[in-house]
Amino acid sequence: QQPVQSPQAVILREGEDAVINCSSSKALYSVHWYRQKHGEAPVFLMILLKGGEQKGHDKISASFNEKKQQSSLYLTASQLSYSGTYFCGTENLSGYALNFGKGTSLLVTP
Amino acid sequence: KAGVTQTPRYLIKTRGQQVTLSCSPISGHRSVSWYQQTPGQGLQFLFEYFSETQRNKGNFPGRFSGRQFSNSRSEMNVSTLELGDSALYLCASSLSGTENSPLHFGNGTRLTVT
Repeated sequence: QQPVQSPQAVILREGEDAVINCSSSKALYSVHWYRQKHGEAPVFLMILLKGGEQKGHDKISASFNEKKQQSSLYLTASQLSYSGTYFCGTENLSGYALNFGKGTSLLVTP
Repeated sequence: KAGVTQTPRYLIKTRGQQVTLSCSPISGHRSVSWYQQTPGQGLQFLFEYFSETQRNKGNFPGRFSGRQFSNSRSEMNVSTLELGDSALYLCASSLSGTENSPLHFGNGTRLTVT
């Protein structure tokens, strides 16, 4: 049930764009996105619900394709502060829990 | 508003011992869930509690257990520790624990088993 994230890692220069994908083999109702900086707790970015619109958070936005059972996170004009590991979480079929992908490590360099 | 508080931050235990980790959720949050984070496996779900009831449990052996108190504070216990239990244990609280409720994570307890 663990969603699959791609790519595993990406290195960007400041100002460049990136896309992180999250795919599931199961039908989805929602997808969560979190960012974790080294040595810190994961921080909530956004939730996308089935039938909902694309969401945005500053220059970070995401989409949810229910038919393809996948979500994509878009980072536009990346900043140094975007560096970290991004996790997508999908709802556990038994409820009340998230299954997280293994994460995508993003490094933004000057 | 205070965030999720986990204690202790670091623990070193010997194989065979047992350990108890504590989590205080954000005020007003009634759902507490626990995750194990390791470099190879990412975040693995352990269990979730709401109003002192366990609503879901992940695929971990029975050595891993938890509970929640009436004030929503939660503890998890690992008995007969194994080397493979070394990990960062994260607690997360949310309002309802449902799929549209964001998780708020604590800084975790790093457990090292020697």
